[in-house]
Amino acid sequence: DIVMTQSPDSLAVSLGERVTINCKSSQSVLYSSNNKNYLAWYQQKPGQPPKLLIYYTSTRESGVPDRFSGSGSGTDFTLTISSLQAEDVAVYYCQQYHSTPYTFGQGTRLEIK
Amino acid sequence: QLQLRPSGPGLLKPSQTLSLTCAISGDSVSSNSATWNWIRQSPSRGLEWLGRTYFRSRWFRDYALSVKSRITVNPDTSKNQFSLQLNSVTPEDTAVYYCTRETPVGWSDFWGQGTLVTVSS
Repeated sequence: DIVMTQSPDSLAVSLGERVTINCKSSQSVLYSSNNKNYLAWYQQKPGQPPKLLIYYTSTRESGVPDRFSGSGSGTDFTLTISSLQAEDVAVYYCQQYHSTPYTFGQGTRLEIK
Repeated sequence: QLQLRPSGPGLLKPSQTLSLTCAISGDSVSSNSATWNWIRQSPSRGLEWLGRTYFRSRWFRDYALSVKSRITVNPDTSKNQFSLQLNSVTPEDTAVYYCTRETPVGWSDFWGQGTLVTVSS
């Protein structure tokens, strides 16, 4: 199985500041046939299921604010929130869908400082 | 608008069988462009994909190796739903269970509200 490791486990950031969450896969999730990285990001707020934010590393799901962006390739990926809003408090997960079983990172808890 | 509504018992004793169903509205379990997943979440194991079913001219099922000997995921086309059966549960199977729709490529674009299943004697 591909192991997904996120860092940090938690962070506290001031409103309006930039947030960076990292995700590392134990093997490449780059699909050579289409040159796409099979990496998604989800946001989970308390008492709710995860919500898809980004797929193919950097493509935002419909309705996701453009302050959320994703980047990376191969085994190293980043989710960035350009300016933290109060409603962004949540746990964020990365997921690889390159190889079954599709696996998730352990999550990064984001709080307001 | 897609809705996924899981249902099933919330409390089980060890060795019993966990049975959940996920009713689909706004899509079809027989869709050629969707895959129907069960994923669970617990503090100890995080988010864990369990299994899925999908129709591509015929029905397919895939299971996580960790539960492969105990799990069955089945579609029910008459009720437009799919089910999860997990045999011989232990307290380690205590988790919130989610049903999700997965795109043909692999990300889950819609998650139902989770259902908490507790295994305790």
